[in-house]
Amino acid sequence: DAGVIQSPRHEVTEMGQEVTLRCKPISGHNSLFWYRQTMMRGLELLIYFNNNVPIDDSGMPEDRFSAKMPNASFSTLKIQPSEPRDSAVYFCASRLNRYTYEQYFGPGTRLTVT
Amino acid sequence: GENVEQHPSTLSVQEGDSAVIKCTYSDSASNYFPWYKQELGKGPQLIIDIRSNVGEKKDQRIAVTLNKTAKHFSLHITETQPEDSAVYFCAASTPDGSRGTSYGKLTFGQGTILTVHP
Repeated sequence: DAGVIQSPRHEVTEMGQEVTLRCKPISGHNSLFWYRQTMMRGLELLIYFNNNVPIDDSGMPEDRFSAKMPNASFSTLKIQPSEPRDSAVYFCASRLNRYTYEQYFGPGTRLTVT
Repeated sequence: GENVEQHPSTLSVQEGDSAVIKCTYSDSASNYFPWYKQELGKGPQLIIDIRSNVGEKKDQRIAVTLNKTAKHFSLHITETQPEDSAVYFCAASTPDGSRGTSYGKLTFGQGTILTVHP
């Protein structure tokens, strides 16, 4: 079975540009999470969806960040405009539903903003 | 909110030895404690987890123990192998009682770099 799929795997962009990260959760999973990993802050939750609805976006750092989940099999995380401090690895994870605990992570997107 | 402390930050062992990584958490309402293994360039992989109604769980060479009173939990790896070398993360999840769901934000420890020398 395919796991969580993320694209692109690597993204290099210049400050001020728009960046869009994509995620396809495991088929049949109804919960989706976006995380950011940096050396300084470790793994931190940005936003969580359940049945395509954003439930908790308290971790989104600022208005430059936005996330959408138009359907059960696709989500995007957009940064506009991007800044060098946004450089990090962004992970998407999915979970079967809100009544289960186990989260499964994708391979991540390494974002570098110059 | 929940705070998770993980120790040690680095751990070096010889192949065949045991490795122990410890985590403490602050929120007594936390009820789910997963451990993830992250290899270079890959996403975290769930390797074992424990819920608050259980004190110990084993899966082949790995085991996790939970002490709710002291609010700490540990990962034990026996008969370590070079392929166990990776970064290990603990996490704690507190249920979202207001929504009546199991959802709780996963708060991660800072990670332990485990190196197993052949």
